[in-house]
Amino acid sequence: GAGVSQTPSNKVTEKGKYVELRCDPISGHTALYWYRQSLGQGPEFLIYFQGTGAADDSGLPNDRFFAVRPEGSVSTLKIQRTERGDSAVYLCASSLRAGNTEAFFGQGTRLTVV
Amino acid sequence: DAKTTQPPSMDCAEGRAANLPCNHSTISGNEYVYWYRQIHSQGPQYIIHGLKNNETNEMASLIITEDRKSSTLILPHATLRDTAVYYCIVKANSGYALNFGKGTSLLVTP
Repeated sequence: GAGVSQTPSNKVTEKGKYVELRCDPISGHTALYWYRQSLGQGPEFLIYFQGTGAADDSGLPNDRFFAVRPEGSVSTLKIQRTERGDSAVYLCASSLRAGNTEAFFGQGTRLTVV
Repeated sequence: DAKTTQPPSMDCAEGRAANLPCNHSTISGNEYVYWYRQIHSQGPQYIIHGLKNNETNEMASLIITEDRKSSTLILPHATLRDTAVYYCIVKANSGYALNFGKGTSLLVTP
């Protein structure tokens, strides 16, 4: 597709379960980002990939969160032992490269932990 | 990255210009001013960015003061579809993470 695609668009899971959120960036974009947005707040940075490697994961809240991008395109955000506080919209973005370029965002995955 | 300050909300009549202010008094010389907006239930959308000169594109104009401590995003003829949260972000050229803050919620009314 032409834009950043995120699946699923909505995910409801029980507390303690494991979830995976997928992001398909724009073809050719080397930089990929994950953000998390809680209700009434702006998006908060989680992790940045340049190619296959996580160049900065300083925004990940704790070690229950992990993300991969094994072939430098699709990325998966993984959350173990989910907690109700993990409920939020998880946004993925990609850009041609890092630095002075615009980032294109997906529609997000709304995660609800019950 | 420098911190920005924006009013929490603004109203604008349809067809009029919407002028959204942003203060970034601690901006450094290598930091750009970016504007994104987020329409309800969608991901953020890039609008425009600039360093020190005024910039214009098909969506908006960006006016940056000479001392670069503040800027204004101008939507010249606001439509109902421009109702959104507008984020002013300061980022270095070498940076990658966007620090969104809470933005300005713009309501365009008929």
